[in-house]
Amino acid sequence: NAGVTQTPKFQVLKTGQSMTLQCAQDMNHNSMYWYRQDPGMGLRLIYYSASEGTTDKGEVPNGYNVSRLNKREFSLRLESAAPSQTSVYFCASRGQGAQRSEAFFGQGTRLTVV
Amino acid sequence: GEDVEQSLFLSVREGDSSVINCTYTDSSSTYLYWYKQEPGAGLQLLTYIFSNMDMKQDQRLTVLLNKKDKHLSLRIADTQTGDSAIYFCAESPGYSSASKIIFGSGTRLSIRP
Repeated sequence: NAGVTQTPKFQVLKTGQSMTLQCAQDMNHNSMYWYRQDPGMGLRLIYYSASEGTTDKGEVPNGYNVSRLNKREFSLRLESAAPSQTSVYFCASRGQGAQRSEAFFGQGTRLTVV
Repeated sequence: GEDVEQSLFLSVREGDSSVINCTYTDSSSTYLYWYKQEPGAGLQLLTYIFSNMDMKQDQRLTVLLNKKDKHLSLRIADTQTGDSAIYFCAESPGYSSASKIIFGSGTRLSIRP
């Protein structure tokens, strides 16, 4: 049981380049989340998806797009990367009903924009 | 809106108890969480408490919830060097399984010999 898998683990981009961060979960969870983590600022929610086909903005959505391809996968796209998007990105998923109690996190993607 | 606040640093002596505090703003929060992050790693759920509870104990961990003051605390008994990490408090407002999870900025716990 892999849980939440993120790819890639590390990435360096030049300013203006685009890329997609991939996230997949195998726990049949409805809800999925993308966060960014910056020193001293904790985790800030970028976008989340309550179910397949729905997405909502979080605290810091500007500069990002997301796609909930199916129940398993939730991708985060940077169309034109900026140095301010240098961060560690975490994907998470959470179940429904009695499984709401726990959100599972991936290991993170460390992104550097130069 | 939702906001979660924590102090940034805590230093305790090995063997003492650590108490990490958190305040949150959304009174509709149903689940409140404590996560642990070790250097270079993802987040690991330590424990959570449902909003209709005042206290939850799990081995060395004790969570206290004061709903009136919107205050959450995590007590780690007999703190060990392996407890050095960043601890995040998080809230999940609302009753829907579609709710967001909002995190505090994290408290870095360091252990003195």
